[in-house]
Amino acid sequence: AQKVTQAQTEISVVEKEDVTLDCVYETRDTTYYLFWYKQPPSGELVFLIRRNSFDEQNEISGRYSWNFQKSTSSFNFTITASQVVDSAVYFCALSEGLYSGAGSYQLTFGKGTKLSVIP
Amino acid sequence: NAGVTQTPKFQVLKTGQSMTLQCAQDMNHEYMSWYRQDPGMGLRLIHYSVGAGITDQGEVPNGYNVSRSTTEDFPLRLLSAAPSQTSVYFCASRLGQGADAQHFGDGTRLSIL
Repeated sequence: AQKVTQAQTEISVVEKEDVTLDCVYETRDTTYYLFWYKQPPSGELVFLIRRNSFDEQNEISGRYSWNFQKSTSSFNFTITASQVVDSAVYFCALSEGLYSGAGSYQLTFGKGTKLSVIP
Repeated sequence: NAGVTQTPKFQVLKTGQSMTLQCAQDMNHEYMSWYRQDPGMGLRLIHYSVGAGITDQGEVPNGYNVSRSTTEDFPLRLLSAAPSQTSVYFCASRLGQGADAQHFGDGTRLSIL
C-alpha cells in the first residue's frame, strides 16, 4: 500500500524567508509518480509539479524548487524568498506505475501543510 | 476550456434529505473520482471510476452512491444526509494512469444541519 506523510501540519514564516515543505512517501512500486498541489485560501486545488521515479534531477521554477531523493523516499518543496501570495495549503501526492491495476489511477495524498507567510 | 465543473458550489441540507452533487468534465478523461476534505484530514477518496460503467469504493464510501453512465459525468449521491457529511467535496478527473496529473473542480461546500 502506498502512503504519503507530510509531517508539518502548519508553518509560519515572515515574508522573504525561505521555507521547505517536507514530503515522505512509501510505495512498493519501482515506477511511480509524485505530485505537488497548492490550495490557496480561495479553495481550488492547483497542480504544481509532477516527478517520475526515474528522474532524480532537482527542478527549479522561479522561486519554487523541488528536491527528489529516492534514497530517503522524500520529495521536498522549497519556496525561496516567500511572498504573502504563497500562503496556502500544499499537498504532496503519489501515484503508482502503469501496471498496478486500478490502484495506479489513484493519487494518494498527504494531509497537507498549511503555510502562512506573514508580511 | 471548462475542465472539471462541479455544481452546486454551496448547499445546505437538513438531516435525512438526499441530494446529488454534479460533476462533469470535457477532457475525455477515463478516471474520475470524488474526495471529501475535512480539517486536519486532508483529501479522502470516496468513490472513483476508471471508465463508463465502472465504479469502485475509496477510503470513505459509506453514505454515498455513484454511477458513471457516460465518460463526462460522475454524480455523487448522498442517500440520507447526516451532519458527519458536512464537508467540502471535490470532483477530479485524470486522463489515465501514472504520470497524468489530476484536475480538480472548484469544490462544493456542503452543510448538513
